[in-house]
Amino acid sequence: QVQLRESGPGLVKPSETVSLTCSVSGDSVSSSYWSWVRQPPGKGLEWIGSIYYTGTTIYHPSLKSRVTISEDTSKNQFSLRLTSVTAADTAVYYCGRPLHRHSHWLWAFDIWGPGTVVTVSA
Amino acid sequence: EVVMTQSPATLSVSPGERATLSCRASQSVSDNLAWYQQRPGQAPRLLIYGASTRATGIPARFSGSGSGTEFTLTISSLQSEDFAVYYCQQYNDWPPLTFGGGTKIDIK
Repeated sequence: QVQLRESGPGLVKPSETVSLTCSVSGDSVSSSYWSWVRQPPGKGLEWIGSIYYTGTTIYHPSLKSRVTISEDTSKNQFSLRLTSVTAADTAVYYCGRPLHRHSHWLWAFDIWGPGTVVTVSA
Repeated sequence: EVVMTQSPATLSVSPGERATLSCRASQSVSDNLAWYQQRPGQAPRLLIYGASTRATGIPARFSGSGSGTEFTLTISSLQSEDFAVYYCQQYNDWPPLTFGGGTKIDIK
């Protein structure tokens, strides 16, 4: 079955850039859609952005200027890069894949990684 | 941006009782609505998509209804493992994909 696993630095200083990676098994990054979602401590879920298997990306308008999502087909991974981080970016970051049913993609996420914690602190 | 509003924020229910959770969209999302369950320390788990279709492996005690702007998630008889936080999410009009603020079900 499809499994995802996030990895990242854990602790990042304010104003720096954080890079996270999602490793995919059981599927190919070059044949599906992939996304990042985050959850600040004690708060709800926020979609960050998605990448299509064509390489096309789409981002949350409020984060668009700071976010880049890319894929590495040779490693079967996709990545999130978030620049100029502040304490407001402290969150658990999840990677996910939308539901694929009857040859259609439905943008509800049925596959999630366990999440990786990113703390922004000096 | 489509704003999703969930109510109540917290629901106190006894095991075996029915729980009814609400989700309202700021504009019509047709039936492009999903529900998730999130237990402490875990990733969300998809329960319902298309407003009323159970995801693979989801027990029949979970049911979803509604369309347009008003949606309901019903858990017919709460089990111990159902005490968790529940989120709705719309995927009709995006970006951005948007989630509700969540409803926490705790033990009465």
